[in-house]
Amino acid sequence: NAGVTQTPKFRVLKTGQSMTLLCAQDMNHEYMYWYRQDPGMGLRLIHYSVGEGTTAKGEVPDGYNVSRLKKQNFLLGLESAAPSQTSVYFCASSRGQGQYGYTFGSGTRLTVV
Amino acid sequence: KQEVTQIPAALSVPEGENLVLNCSFTDSAIYNLQWFRQDPGKGLTSLLLIQSSQREQTSGRLNASLDKSSGRSTLYIAASQPGDSATYLCAVKEYGNKLVFGAGTILRVKS
Repeated sequence: NAGVTQTPKFRVLKTGQSMTLLCAQDMNHEYMYWYRQDPGMGLRLIHYSVGEGTTAKGEVPDGYNVSRLKKQNFLLGLESAAPSQTSVYFCASSRGQGQYGYTFGSGTRLTVV
Repeated sequence: KQEVTQIPAALSVPEGENLVLNCSFTDSAIYNLQWFRQDPGKGLTSLLLIQSSQREQTSGRLNASLDKSSGRSTLYIAASQPGDSATYLCAVKEYGNKLVFGAGTILRVKS
């Protein structure tokens, strides 16, 4: 049982390039989330999804887009990368609302030069 | 707006000591509180999940308590080991189904 898998693990982009981060979960969870983690800022919610075909904005959504075409996958896109998007990105999933906890992936370390 | 604070920010203890990490939150309208461990350059590993109706949860040498009315949680680690060295994060799940994190406590256990 893999849990939450993120690809790639590392990536270096040039300013202005685009890329997609993939998150896959095999626990049949309804809710999925994208966070970024920065020194001194903690973990901040970028976007989330409460089910297949749905997405919603979190705390820091600007510069990112997401899609949830399949229940098990949640994609995070950067259309035109900026140095301010250098961060570690974590995907998480949860069975649903209420009392359920979160399961996190191992993260993607992104550097934009 | 929910704010989660963890004290201390960093802690260094000799091996074998019992220790307590503190977490406080400003809004008691939460479903649960979750403690995570993060090793350098790694992801978050869930340690304990306490529902709002519970007072404590235990797993091995770890014990977490929750006082929802006062907005406090503690993570107690018994007989600390060098392998416990990591960053410990607490997070509360709000009624809006969002997880709000504290900044973490960096723990170093010296052998």
